[in-house]
Amino acid sequence: DIQMTQSPSSLSASVGDRVTITCQASQDITNSVNWYQQKAGKAPNLLIYEAYNLEPGVPSRFRGSRFGAEFTLTISSLQPEDFATYYCQQYENVPSTFGQGTRLEIK
Amino acid sequence: QVHLAESGGGVVQPGRSLRLSCTASGFAFSDYAMHWVRQAPGKAPDWVAVISYDGRNIYYAESVKGRFTISRDNSKNTFYLQMNSLTSEDTAVYYCAREDYSGSYVYWGQGTLVAVSS
Repeated sequence: DIQMTQSPSSLSASVGDRVTITCQASQDITNSVNWYQQKAGKAPNLLIYEAYNLEPGVPSRFRGSRFGAEFTLTISSLQPEDFATYYCQQYENVPSTFGQGTRLEIK
Repeated sequence: QVHLAESGGGVVQPGRSLRLSCTASGFAFSDYAMHWVRQAPGKAPDWVAVISYDGRNIYYAESVKGRFTISRDNSKNTFYLQMNSLTSEDTAVYYCAREDYSGSYVYWGQGTLVAVSS
């Protein structure tokens, strides 16, 4: 199975900050990575698909990128509603696997 | 609008069985592959199983292979997860999800809690 190593596991930041979350795939997976946001008690919500593409309706402050087997989610200017947990997901192979998550907290 | 609704969760003793259902509405159910994804408390989502649009192709996570069975009834816009030989490791919120572009899950159900406890 392809492992997705996500970092950091938690992050404290302030409104207006720029933050970056990283997922390192255990093997080359082209662009086969999606990013989700999850709030307490809710299902995950798709933010970015196929590494770079912004899901319709998601604010443009969210951006996905890739450098080799490393994938990043960047939030350019944190808003109060962005404090949540974020997960990457690879779908290159079955089974699809998720990163361990990054909990983004208000500083 | 697209809506997915799980049912069938609950508290069950180790070794027992449970069947989850997911009823879909608002889209052409028979055109889509459907997935079960679970999430243990405080943990990341964990993919469980997928069934193709026509039911012919099915895959399972290794952790549930031989114990869980996914199936669907396109005439009822519903798919299922039969879970046998449950253990405490299966305790989680179980979500059904539609497979969309690039292997993504745009639409999820609200989740149903399965708690395996003696």
